[in-house]
Amino acid sequence: SQKIEQNSEALNIQEGKTATLTCNYTNYSPAYLQWYRQDPGRGPVFLLLIRENEKEKRKERLKVTFDTTLKQSLFHITASQPADSATYLCVGPSGTYKYIFGTGTRLKVLA
Amino acid sequence: DAGVTQSPTHLIKTRGQQVTLRCSPKSGHDTVSWYQQALGQGPQFIFQYYEEEERQRGNFPDRFSGHQFPNYSSELNVNALLLGDSALYLCASSSAGVLAGNTGELFFGEGSRLTVL
Repeated sequence: SQKIEQNSEALNIQEGKTATLTCNYTNYSPAYLQWYRQDPGRGPVFLLLIRENEKEKRKERLKVTFDTTLKQSLFHITASQPADSATYLCVGPSGTYKYIFGTGTRLKVLA
Repeated sequence: DAGVTQSPTHLIKTRGQQVTLRCSPKSGHDTVSWYQQALGQGPQFIFQYYEEEERQRGNFPDRFSGHQFPNYSSELNVNALLLGDSALYLCASSSAGVLAGNTGELFFGEGSRLTVL
């Protein structure tokens, strides 16, 4: 079955460093991937979309890559801040109307 | 401009009971999707409503049903509640799919936290 996998272990990183989160997909080839941020007890908030023909997309301190050969997307936050602490979800389409979510990676930025 | 609103925010039910959750989409959005998020997991797609019809359904039993009203608001009903139905239920609205120049962004509400005892 189609799967999106993220490292479920929490990632702790020192303030000011670059955080890198990994998303792997299996058994399908998504035309695009989205990344969302979710704070505890809140709904996810959209951050970025990257299409399969785009190698890299940037938005402020965020950068996303999409490698169709490795079946992987990397999500980077540069100059990380404690306010970046949250769970980050990788999302891919499944058919026309449905999305598959990864389990999310919890990021904690230490001051 | 109000975003997606959901009610109630928290509720506690016992096994076998029935529950109705409500969602008002973001202004201008005509599509509503419902997701179930268990603790420590990513959201799982339940179904999507468009033009008052269920357009696609995920792998959930018939105990999960929904409705969309002419004003695009939606309800999620769960019958014969099981302990395993305890989760955060998220409503997401959208206006268009991923087209050129469109991110297909889902706008989520804050969710309804259901606890089944």
